[in-house]
Amino acid sequence: EAGVTQFPSHSVIEKGQTVTLRCDPISGHDNLYWYRRVMGKEIKFLLHFVKESKQDESGMPNNRFLAERTGGTYSTLKVQPAELEDSGVYFCASSASLNTEAFFGQGTRLTVV
Amino acid sequence: GQQLNQSPQSMFIQEGEDVSMNCTSSSIFNTWLWYKQDPGEGPVLLIALYKAGELTSNGRLTAQFGITRKDSFLNISASIPSDVGIYFCAGQREDTGRRALTFGSGTRLQVQP
Repeated sequence: EAGVTQFPSHSVIEKGQTVTLRCDPISGHDNLYWYRRVMGKEIKFLLHFVKESKQDESGMPNNRFLAERTGGTYSTLKVQPAELEDSGVYFCASSASLNTEAFFGQGTRLTVV
Repeated sequence: GQQLNQSPQSMFIQEGEDVSMNCTSSSIFNTWLWYKQDPGEGPVLLIALYKAGELTSNGRLTAQFGITRKDSFLNISASIPSDVGIYFCAGQREDTGRRALTFGSGTRLQVQP
């Protein structure tokens, strides 16, 4: 069974550009989470989907970040326009239910120059 | 927001030594989790703790959920080179209905063969 997969694994963009990150959760997992780790700091929660609905988006930094999960399958996280402080590793995780283990993808390393 | 203070930030030890790391919080958590991240990979769950005072082992790893529910520690006995990586603690609160994890900033472990 495939795990959580994220695309791309690395992205280098210039300040002001747009980047879209994609996450494919484990098949059948209704819960999908986005997290971010800025260099050397803690992994911070961004938002949580249950199927296609945003259950909790309290961790989204600002309105330059837009997450979608149309159809309740894969999810995208778009940053527009990107700023230098958006650099970091973006992790996606999925779980079958609210109380079961969340499995993480390998992350997308975003560098904004 | 909630913060987890994880220490130490990094450790460099000799193969065969025991390792201990811990996390403390000003908030109460109902679940404590310990993850390991290998280079280029996402965090992988090592141990989950669900009750205050619980002591759980997974091979050479032992973790405890503090009585106050505000702290947890992870011990690794007889370290080996493949223990190298970043270890994260994470807490989960369920009373608020949020399922987001709050992570510590990580402990980077290096093992000298």
